[in-house]
Amino acid sequence: NAGVTQTPKFRILKIGQSMTLQCTQDMNHNYMYWYRQDPGMGLKLIYYSVGAGITDKGEVPNGYNVSRSTTEDFPLRLELAAPSQTSVYFCASSPGGPVPDTQYFGPGTRLTVL
Amino acid sequence: QKEVEQNSGPLSVPEGAIASLNCTYSDRGSQSFFWYRQYSGKSPELIMFIYSNGDKEDGRFTAQLNKASQYVSLLIRDSQPSDSATYLCAVGGAQKLVFGQGTRLTINP
Repeated sequence: NAGVTQTPKFRILKIGQSMTLQCTQDMNHNYMYWYRQDPGMGLKLIYYSVGAGITDKGEVPNGYNVSRSTTEDFPLRLELAAPSQTSVYFCASSPGGPVPDTQYFGPGTRLTVL
Repeated sequence: QKEVEQNSGPLSVPEGAIASLNCTYSDRGSQSFFWYRQYSGKSPELIMFIYSNGDKEDGRFTAQLNKASQYVSLLIRDSQPSDSATYLCAVGGAQKLVFGQGTRLTINP
């Protein structure tokens, strides 16, 4: 199993550009998450999904959008990129259930907005 | 706002000693507690999880949970230079985890 994969690994955007960060998992997990991590900080939840067709906002959703059309894929869309979105983005997945379970992380995407 | 607090460090420990990492949380309804290790430039990886009050041991690692005091800790025995990393505490409730800012640990040979 590849686990959680993310593309691209690195990206530089100009202010106002848009892009999609891809995330795929092959563990048949119901739950998927997007986080951002700023230097020296912990992880901030952007959006999450508990199953195909279901998404919900996290702590810092402004400037981002998500969709979940399949169990495997959970892309994150950045519209009108701003310097404040410079960060490392991690996707994670979890089996889900009544008690929050272990999350497995992808390798991350390092995004710079200039 | 549910919060998870950690001392950001850096925490410096001699090789072979015990490293003690601490975490407090604000939501009394939290149900699950995790410690992740993150090497520089890498993604977080799970070290341990604990759901019940008391201690849980796995090799050189021991997680301790005190729900009454809303306190979670991680002890690393016989610390090795390879343990040098940032340790993230995460607390689970309502389908999500809330992460602390992490404690940077350095093991000195």
